[in-house]
Amino acid sequence: QSALTQPASVSGSPGQSITISCTGTSSDVGSYNLVSWYQQHPGKAPKLMIYEVSKRPSGVSNRFSGSKSGNTASLTISGLQAEDEADYYCCSYAGSSTYVVFGGGTKLTVL
Amino acid sequence: QITLKESGPTLVKPTQTLTLTCTFSGFSLSTSGVGVGWIRQPPGKALEWLALIYWDDDKRYSPSLKSRLTITKDTSKNQVVLTMTNMDPVDTATYYCAHSGGGGLRFDYWGQGTLVTVSS
Repeated sequence: QSALTQPASVSGSPGQSITISCTGTSSDVGSYNLVSWYQQHPGKAPKLMIYEVSKRPSGVSNRFSGSKSGNTASLTISGLQAEDEADYYCCSYAGSSTYVVFGGGTKLTVL
Repeated sequence: QITLKESGPTLVKPTQTLTLTCTFSGFSLSTSGVGVGWIRQPPGKALEWLALIYWDDDKRYSPSLKSRLTITKDTSKNQVVLTMTNMDPVDTATYYCAHSGGGGLRFDYWGQGTLVTVSS
C-alpha cells in the first residue's frame, strides 16, 4: 500500500481537462511544498512534469499544472491530447525519517 | 546533457545480495545540492523510493528497507552503487537511478532502468 493515495484511473476526451488527486497526511504533503509529479509511458522511465507543487521544468507543456490544498495535491492537464495517455505518479518529501513517498499511480486514458 | 545508466545482474537467487551500479555523466556528485537516488517498480505496480545519496555523502533510506540497503558513491568514477541484501522474489522489479538537483527534492533525470528478477 502506497503512502500517498491516488485514484487508480481517470479518463477524458481530447481537448478536455482532467485533475488527478494525491492525498497524503500532515506529515508529508500537508507540511512541505515538495510535491512532484511524474509521467510514465509503458516501458519507459518516469519523466518529471511538476516539482515543488506547481513549478514546471523547462520543456514541459504549460497544459500541465499543479496545486495543493491541505493534505491533497493535484495535477491538472488541460487540453487533453492522445500523447498524455500514461501513468502519473505523485511524490512528496515526508520529513527526515521517512524522507520520500510515492503515490500508487493513476492511469490516464484519453478516450 | 545529463544521462544515467543502471547496470548489474538481471537474475539473482533468493537470499543473494544484489549490487547495482549507476553510471552518470553531465553533472558532478561533488556539486552542492546534487543527489542520486534509486527507485524501483515491480512489474505492473507503482514506483517505490529506495535510497538517496547527496554530494556531501548524506545518505537516506526507505525506512521499510533500510536494514537491507547500502548506497555509496565514487565521485571520481561518476558512479553510485546500491546493494540490497537477502533478495526475495518480491524484490523482482525494474530498478531506476535518478538525478536529484536544484535544492528541492525532485528526480529530474532518470536512467532507462534495469529489470532484476529474483528466482531460483
